[in-house]
Amino acid sequence: NAGVTQTPKFQVLKTGQSMTLQCAQDMNHEYMSWYRQDPGMGLRLIHYSVGAGITDQGEVPNGYNVSRSTTEDFPLRLLSAAPSQTSVYFCASSKGGSRGYEQYFGPGTRLTVT
Amino acid sequence: KNEVEQSPQNLTAQEGEFITINCSYSVGISALHWLQQHPGGGIVSLFMLSSGKKKHGRLIATINIQEKHSSLHITASHPRDSAVYICAVARSGGSEKLVFGKGMKLTVNP
Repeated sequence: NAGVTQTPKFQVLKTGQSMTLQCAQDMNHEYMSWYRQDPGMGLRLIHYSVGAGITDQGEVPNGYNVSRSTTEDFPLRLLSAAPSQTSVYFCASSKGGSRGYEQYFGPGTRLTVT
Repeated sequence: KNEVEQSPQNLTAQEGEFITINCSYSVGISALHWLQQHPGGGIVSLFMLSSGKKKHGRLIATINIQEKHSSLHITASHPRDSAVYICAVARSGGSEKLVFGKGMKLTVNP
């Protein structure tokens, strides 16, 4: 199993550009999440999904869109990049919710918005 | 005040030392996760606890639900244990969302 994969590993965007961060898992996990990690702060939840076709907002959803058309894939779209979105982005998956299941994280995408 | 607090924020130890990392939380929880973030950035799950104690190799995690406190112990520390250790809690009732502490950076010197 590849586990949770993310692409790209690094990305530089100009303000106003859009892009999609890809996340895929091959463990047949129902739960998938996107987090951002900024210096001096804990991981913060952007969006999450409890199954194909079901998504919901997390703590910091503004400026981001998600969709979940398959169990395997959970892309994160930046609609119009802003310097405040410079961060490291992690995708995570689990068999069930965080109350009872181990979380598996992707390797992260480091995004810089200039 | 953050719902999840970790202490200390940084810790430097010598190889072989016994290390304790603390996590306190202020909300009711149904589970607590300990994660390790390597210097290269990858995050791996170490433990998930809802009560008592778990052990894996040189790592031991304990939780006291009444005191809203968890500890991660590393016995016979090694330079490869150098990493950021992150505590996260799943609030009881309703949402499955995790709330994360800011992490504790551990450096183990040879």
